[in-house]
Amino acid sequence: SQKIEQNSEALNIQEGKTATLTCNYTNYSPAYLQWYRQDPGRGPVFLLLIRENEKEKRKERLKVTFDTTLKQSLFHITASQPADSATYLCALDMSNNDMRFGAGTRLTVKP
Amino acid sequence: ETGVTQSPTHLIKTRGQQVTLRCSSQSGHNTVSWYQQALGQGPQFIFQYYREEENGRGNFPPRFSGLQFPNYSSELNVNALELDDSALYLCASRREGAYSVYGYTFGSGTRLTVV
Repeated sequence: SQKIEQNSEALNIQEGKTATLTCNYTNYSPAYLQWYRQDPGRGPVFLLLIRENEKEKRKERLKVTFDTTLKQSLFHITASQPADSATYLCALDMSNNDMRFGAGTRLTVKP
Repeated sequence: ETGVTQSPTHLIKTRGQQVTLRCSSQSGHNTVSWYQQALGQGPQFIFQYYREEENGRGNFPPRFSGLQFPNYSSELNVNALELDDSALYLCASRREGAYSVYGYTFGSGTRLTVV
């Protein structure tokens, strides 16, 4: 069956540390993979998109990797801040205009 | 940029009724998608419209239908509402080109409660 799994429902880290979130998938062949941030009561906000032929993408304190052999993406936030606390969603962007989201990981960064 | 706006923000309907949710896409965006998000879950893809034609659909029954208008605004219609349709409905738009892909801009959603 097709599955998207994001590591643990919740992740707690100390301010200044690097947060690493995992997205694993089975029986999908995404053309792209996207990461979004969602705050309570709000819609998701786009962070990064990585193509299937790219290994790594960076944007400021954010870094995403994409391994199509392992069927895994890692999302890193370096020098984390309390303002980074939110739910982070990975999304598989298929070539047939279908996008599938994981359930999300709730990140809490403690001062 | 005006962003994506959705209306209404909250809605309460009775089982069996019909509902129409509206979305105004971000300027310059030619693609709109609709999602259903239950509490504690990720958004579930309902369908996508590109230049007024549906070009992708998720695992939702035909009572979920939509429209995209020439000005790229869109509607989600749900007939014969069921209690399980209670959720946050999200509209998202992006610009699609032949060789470029971008992330989606989401609205803040419509919270639908079916009683």
